[in-house]
Amino acid sequence: EAQVTQNPRYLITVTGKKLTVTCSQNMNHEYMSWYRQDPGLGLRQIYYSMNVEVTDKGDVPEGYKVSRKEKRNFPLILESPSPNQTSLYFCASSPRLAGVAYEQYFGPGTRLTVT
Amino acid sequence: KQEVTQIPAALSVPEGENLVLNCSFTDSAIYNLQWFRQDPGKGLTSLLLIQSSQREQTSGRLNASLDKSSGRSTLYIAASQPGDSATYLCAVPYSNYQLIWGAGTKLIIKP
Repeated sequence: EAQVTQNPRYLITVTGKKLTVTCSQNMNHEYMSWYRQDPGLGLRQIYYSMNVEVTDKGDVPEGYKVSRKEKRNFPLILESPSPNQTSLYFCASSPRLAGVAYEQYFGPGTRLTVT
Repeated sequence: KQEVTQIPAALSVPEGENLVLNCSFTDSAIYNLQWFRQDPGKGLTSLLLIQSSQREQTSGRLNASLDKSSGRSTLYIAASQPGDSATYLCAVPYSNYQLIWGAGTKLIIKP
């Protein structure tokens, strides 16, 4: 089954404790992206990747890191999480370099709470 | 900068009604417009993608229209069912790699 998977689905952590949210797609997509969704602010892009080893900042990259060492994986790293990073996070992928010109496939989301 | 607005924020209708969801954007120079559905705990699902050269796209009971000159898109849902209850979002690109999203319309279909 073609899908985007994220782990963990739910995470409660404390301020400053490094964490990684994994994202994997099995569709051989070139474009991948991370979003956060907050009430009243909608979806905002954190980082995106056009291909292996090619990443760029989205609208709200502060406090996040990403890497794209393999085509299928695009982990989101929070080196020192803070309470303002409490949010619902989505990973997405798309089959072409010009990612947003094509249908986006989303993971199920990761609900992160930082206390 | 492009802004995307969805009104109303929430809508509750009886089952069987036809309904229209609205999406407005401020910059008419868009490449495409996408409609998504968001179910709690299940992420987002792409419903329809309308290219800038198109005026309509249809999928089953869903029909999306695009009027770039007025900066509007509508999502028409025919013969609504309780299973249509979800949040519907629209999004437009502002680069090859980035989308701007509306805040969504939460739709409740009452049996």
